Amino acid sequence: DGGITQSPKYLFRKEGQNVTLSCEQNLNHDAMYWYRQDPGQGLRLIYYSQIVNDFQKGDIAEGYSVSREKKESFPLTVTSAQKNPTAFYLCASSIGRPVLTDTQYFGPGTRLTVL
Amino acid sequence: AQTVTQSQPEMSVQEAETVTLSCTYDTSESDYYLFWYKQPPSRQMILVIRQEAYKQQNATENRFSVNFQKAAKSFSLKISDSQLGDAAMYFCAYRSAYTGNEKLTFGTGTRLTIIP
Repeated sequence: DGGITQSPKYLFRKEGQNVTLSCEQNLNHDAMYWYRQDPGQGLRLIYYSQIVNDFQKGDIAEGYSVSREKKESFPLTVTSAQKNPTAFYLCASSIGRPVLTDTQYFGPGTRLTVL
Repeated sequence: AQTVTQSQPEMSVQEAETVTLSCTYDTSESDYYLFWYKQPPSRQMILVIRQEAYKQQNATENRFSVNFQKAAKSFSLKISDSQLGDAAMYFCAYRSAYTGNEKLTFGTGTRLTIIP
């Protein structure tokens, strides 16, 4: 089945630790995105990548880092510099440029809790 | 910067009835895309319907349809014959049609409850 997988589903972190959230897609999409969702708010963009080995900061990139070494994978690292990391994290992908009509499809999400 | 506003935090509807969720947006761009996503209790975001701004015809997907008013910058979602499985958070989202600005801007969501 084609789709987007995220792991783990739940993640607990102690303060001061870095953690990495996994996102994999087998849709042959070029573009991938990371969003954060907090209670009572919509999703906010953390980072996105339109092509392998290239990525751009979104609206709330501070305290996060990403890599895009493979087309299928776009892991997100939540560093200790992120002041309030407890949130629900969603990964998405889309066909990418030059298809301007492309739609973003989402993975099932990872719930990160800082203890 | 673009903004998306959903003014109804919660809505409820009787099963089999029709409900309309409101969304307004602010942009200076002339070409863009609008989306409605559904987030059920599983929390996975599911695309419900998409509208291209250059199209005058309102998009329809089975029981879901939109009322797109470009001049008013309004994009409401109508759900007909509501079913229990429609219960979810619904998010309106905007995306520019211009290269280099592909991010989605989301509203804060409307929680829809279906009353049996």
